[in-house]
Amino acid sequence: EPEVTQTPSHQVTQMGQEVILRCVPISNHLYFYWYRQILGQKVEFLVSFYNNEISEKSEIFDDQFSVERPDGSNFTLKIRSTKLEDSAMYFCASLDREGGTQYFGPGTRLLVL
Amino acid sequence: GQNIDQPTEMTATEGAIVQINCTYQTSGFNGLFWYQQHAGEAPTFLSYNVLDGLEEKGRFSSFLSRSKGYSYLLLKELQMKDSASYLCAVRPAGNNRKLIWGLGTSLAVNP
Repeated sequence: EPEVTQTPSHQVTQMGQEVILRCVPISNHLYFYWYRQILGQKVEFLVSFYNNEISEKSEIFDDQFSVERPDGSNFTLKIRSTKLEDSAMYFCASLDREGGTQYFGPGTRLLVL
Repeated sequence: GQNIDQPTEMTATEGAIVQINCTYQTSGFNGLFWYQQHAGEAPTFLSYNVLDGLEEKGRFSSFLSRSKGYSYLLLKELQMKDSASYLCAVRPAGNNRKLIWGLGTSLAVNP
């Protein structure tokens, strides 16, 4: 069964460093999302991406964040200058069509020291 | 604002039935989802309701009442592996299709 994949599974970085989280959505899906979940808290929407552009972003998704779909398969989330509070589990999700179900990748656990 | 409420924790016994409730207030409504999440893992899709009524899927059923802003997830014949967090998520109106999430209900299934 097709699945969303994410790399790396874990990332430890120093505050102020840049990180890139990678996702490979399900191949025929058209809508892509990043969510994050701080330990013990709810899942929070970050950004949605469709037709090679951001369709919506949350207040969390400030100028330190960016997304790209550099080729036909990868979908990346970049955090330019990480802060301690960016420590969280980051989930990528993809959706095949309007009204469909979002399928989640296994997540990247980011720890900022 | 947008709000989704679920009980924080529930406990049940193996073999029993448990009902997890969810109430929501969102800017429009375009479907409600239930996901299961084991600790440290990704949410896994369980069920989807967009019309009122009951959707049954094996041991899991989900009910929706749009007029009441209410849903429940029913788990039957509980197994130890059902111990997990159950997340209620709503897709508000609009084209972006993002999900708004509840905090999740941590279910402990005891022998």
